Amino acid sequence: AQSVTQLDSHVSVSEGTPVLLRCNYSSSYSPSLFWYVQHPNKGLQLLLKYTSAATLVKGINGFEAEFKKSETSFHLTKPSAHMSDAAEYFCVVRRAGDSWGKLQFGAGTQVVVTP
Amino acid sequence: DTGVSQDPRHKITKRGQNVTFRCDPISEHNRLYWYRQTLGQGPEFLTYFQNEAQLEKSRLLSDRFSAERPKGSFSTLEIQRTEQGDSAMYLCASSPTDSGANVLTFGAGSRLTVL
Repeated sequence: AQSVTQLDSHVSVSEGTPVLLRCNYSSSYSPSLFWYVQHPNKGLQLLLKYTSAATLVKGINGFEAEFKKSETSFHLTKPSAHMSDAAEYFCVVRRAGDSWGKLQFGAGTQVVVTP
Repeated sequence: DTGVSQDPRHKITKRGQNVTFRCDPISEHNRLYWYRQTLGQGPEFLTYFQNEAQLEKSRLLSDRFSAERPKGSFSTLEIQRTEQGDSAMYLCASSPTDSGANVLTFGAGSRLTVL
């Protein structure tokens, strides 16, 4: 079985402060992991992906995530939040052998950015 | 080509009615995926196509649901005898091939409300 758990359903940060979104996965073997963002009335957008190369993955808009196998975690961070980062973020896993489009999404973390 | 298009964007229907959603993927993308997203949850995989062939269906796709991609271009998702539990956002995504090098492109979704 394979699933992802997003540890926070809501995160509120002030503009200019760091963002941390936590994700743990369960898997019997190394998965492919992704972070997606969903803005209101927009399609889901890929932020970054881990596919067994470098454990520190850099994505778009200043986001990055670190794959830690010993902790089964894939937390998403950004050093300085911007108002445009307000959105819902999903940690996503793909089971080895599945189609690359067959993904399992976490329940999501809603990010609020205050001025 | 401006991305994945879904129509209608919103549909309100009464329980027991049939509804159909259409997805136009990015042209020449041979992979097309359907997902369902209920309120407060992440998207869940429903089914996918390679060209016109439907390769996999989730157990979530009851016999009231049918998806087609007759010419390997656009796809339709029909729900017969809708139930209130069918209320959700239905998402479509496409990709060029089945490869980790590709990025899934999602549409903005079709929101269904069953009264």
